[in-house]
Amino acid sequence: QQQVKQSPQSLIVQKGGIPIINCAYENTAFDYFPWYQQFPGKGPALLIAIRPDVSEKKEGRFTISFNKSAKQFSLHIMDSQPGDSATYFCAANADSNYQLIWGAGTKLIIKP
Amino acid sequence: ETGVTQSPTHLIKTRGQQVTLRCSSQSGHNTVSWYQQALGQGPQFIFQYYREEENGRGNFPPRFSGLQFPNYSSELNVNALELDDSALYLCASSLVGQPQHFGDGTRLSIL
Repeated sequence: QQQVKQSPQSLIVQKGGIPIINCAYENTAFDYFPWYQQFPGKGPALLIAIRPDVSEKKEGRFTISFNKSAKQFSLHIMDSQPGDSATYFCAANADSNYQLIWGAGTKLIIKP
Repeated sequence: ETGVTQSPTHLIKTRGQQVTLRCSSQSGHNTVSWYQQALGQGPQFIFQYYREEENGRGNFPPRFSGLQFPNYSSELNVNALELDDSALYLCASSLVGQPQHFGDGTRLSIL
């Protein structure tokens, strides 16, 4: 019940395309869903986060879509650029437990 | 605003040894969490400290221990190192209920 399942494991998209990364969870107590971006040799950096009271959130070229009934959420990257090539992690936690539960990561490559 | 800094960046130890990793929290943050990230995997929660007290622990044995100091800096100590302890160790700081901000980690290799 504590797991967050992330797919795909890897993804290659042409520049300008819209990569989509999906995550699913089981624990209905989760109420905070962040996405992190990690470059090689660096720590994860927070990209965007959502709470279950909204179905979509946009920040710049990054959009989270959230489906509470299906217990799924996804990250969309608009107008993707080679500089977006990185590993992306979804995560989740509950207010009563600040421990972040992480997906396994998606290695994204944006081809020029 | 200074971000989260970790030291050292790389460390090589042998089995059975002990190691101490250090973290300086982002200014104003009173909560620190430690994670272990094995190669090609997502981070795994080790424990969290709030106001110098352990505030939650993941599925890690007692040989993983920590400290948080009055200035909110923190240490992760690992005793009796095992080969499987080889990983990137990440520190994250935050205010209670706010997003966690990560340092760039310490890469620990066990020979």
